[in-house]
Amino acid sequence: GEDVEQSLFLSVREGDSSVINCTYTDSSSTYLYWYKQEPGAGLQLLTYIFSNMDMKQDQRLTVLLNKKDKHLSLRIADTQTGDSAIYFCAELPMDSSYKLIFGSGTRLLVRP
Amino acid sequence: DGGITQSPKYLFRKEGQNVTLSCEQNLNHDAMYWYRQDPGQGLRLIYYSQIVNDFQKGDIAEGYSVSREKKESFPLTVTSAQKNPTAFYLCASRPDRGGTQYFGPGTRLTVL
Repeated sequence: GEDVEQSLFLSVREGDSSVINCTYTDSSSTYLYWYKQEPGAGLQLLTYIFSNMDMKQDQRLTVLLNKKDKHLSLRIADTQTGDSAIYFCAELPMDSSYKLIFGSGTRLLVRP
Repeated sequence: DGGITQSPKYLFRKEGQNVTLSCEQNLNHDAMYWYRQDPGQGLRLIYYSQIVNDFQKGDIAEGYSVSREKKESFPLTVTSAQKNPTAFYLCASRPDRGGTQYFGPGTRLTVL
């Protein structure tokens, strides 16, 4: 079945790198997404990667995709206190009628 | 100023009352979605609409209803049949091409 799994919590020190991991099950997924949610707010699209790519970099964000292991990661360089939020991974299976499948989210806490 | 608006931000209702949550977008997106988010959990799809005058049930449609009379608007009614309506409700929209969904700021519904 379709399922996206993420670890629940990650704590890092300000200035360090953060790595948030995600595993998905549908090998037909065409796009994989990372969204950020701050307290009481909606989801903000951070970045996405097409399934034929291995890596995508956008300023402090680096997305790595391992299709063989169905593993996706988001690395945030030089993590700041403003990065504290919940991060959701989502996949778009090919035959999903454009319905995204979301993970449960990883809460990132950045300690000063 | 393009975007997705949801109103109100906070909504309180007595048990047994129906309540309608508003979602409007001026992005000219064809598809719109409603999600429910409970504390510490991911997003669950309630209803979605790929085109005006058409919509489909998501994973947790029971106790909810929607309409899509205009491209810009996709209101969600939480009926008295929904057993646990207190939650954070998120609306999203998607352009015709591509799977990326963009989210509104959310409405927090509390049923007393």
